[in-house]
Amino acid sequence: DTEVTQTPKHLVMGMTNKKSLKCEQHMGHRAMYWYKQKAKKPPELMFVYSYEKLSINESVPSRFSPECPNSSLLNLHLHALQPEDSALYLCASSQQPGGQETQYFGPGTRLLVL
Amino acid sequence: GEDVEQSLFLSVREGDSSVINCTYTDSSSTYLYWYKQEPGAGLQLLTYIFSNMDMKQDQRLTVLLNKKDKHLSLRIADTQTGDSAIYFCAESIQGGKLIFGQGTELSVKP
Repeated sequence: DTEVTQTPKHLVMGMTNKKSLKCEQHMGHRAMYWYKQKAKKPPELMFVYSYEKLSINESVPSRFSPECPNSSLLNLHLHALQPEDSALYLCASSQQPGGQETQYFGPGTRLLVL
Repeated sequence: GEDVEQSLFLSVREGDSSVINCTYTDSSSTYLYWYKQEPGAGLQLLTYIFSNMDMKQDQRLTVLLNKKDKHLSLRIADTQTGDSAIYFCAESIQGGKLIFGQGTELSVKP
C-alpha cells in the first residue's frame, strides 16, 4: 500500500479566513513534504519534515504554517492568504529523510482564495 | 545548479507508441522518476530507474537511460486515450529533494 490521503479535496476561503489542510500516510515513512502546484506547472517544494521535525523551509511566507503532530500526520495551517496562493497543494512522503528516496504523492487539495 | 528539461507537448494517435524525452544535469542522481498527472489529480508514480541501469521495462512502459548524455526517455507502447496526461520527469538529489522537469502534455487522438 503506497497511499497518501489528503483532506479536504477542495477548499474555498476568503483572505481573512483560517483553515487547515491535512495529510496522512500509514506506510511508516519518516519524511513528509508539502508542495504547491500551479496549473500545468511542476510542483514546487514548500516544506520537508524529517522524523517529525521541520528540516527544509523553502522561504515560504509565514501565512503558511506547517505542523507534524506525529509520524503519520502532516498539517498545513493557512491564514491571511492572497488570491495568488490559489493552487493545488500536494503532500508526499518517503521512507527515509535526506537520501534519494522515492516520494509518493497524495491526490492534493485544490485551494481557491477569494 | 540542477535542471531537468522536457518538451512541453506531444500528440499521438491511439495505438501508436509515444516517446517522452528528458535531460537532466545532476550526475550524482541515484534515481530518476516518471510521474503521471491526469487533469485534476495528484502525481502518480509511474516508474523509476536506478542510475546504474540502462533500461527498465514494465508492461507497456519502457524507460531508457543514457547516463553519459544525461538523457532519460519514457516509451509508452500501444498508447490509449487514458494515457492522455502530463508526464513529469524528475531526478532525486541529495537532501531528499526532487527536481522536476516542466512536464510533457501527452494528447492521444482516437
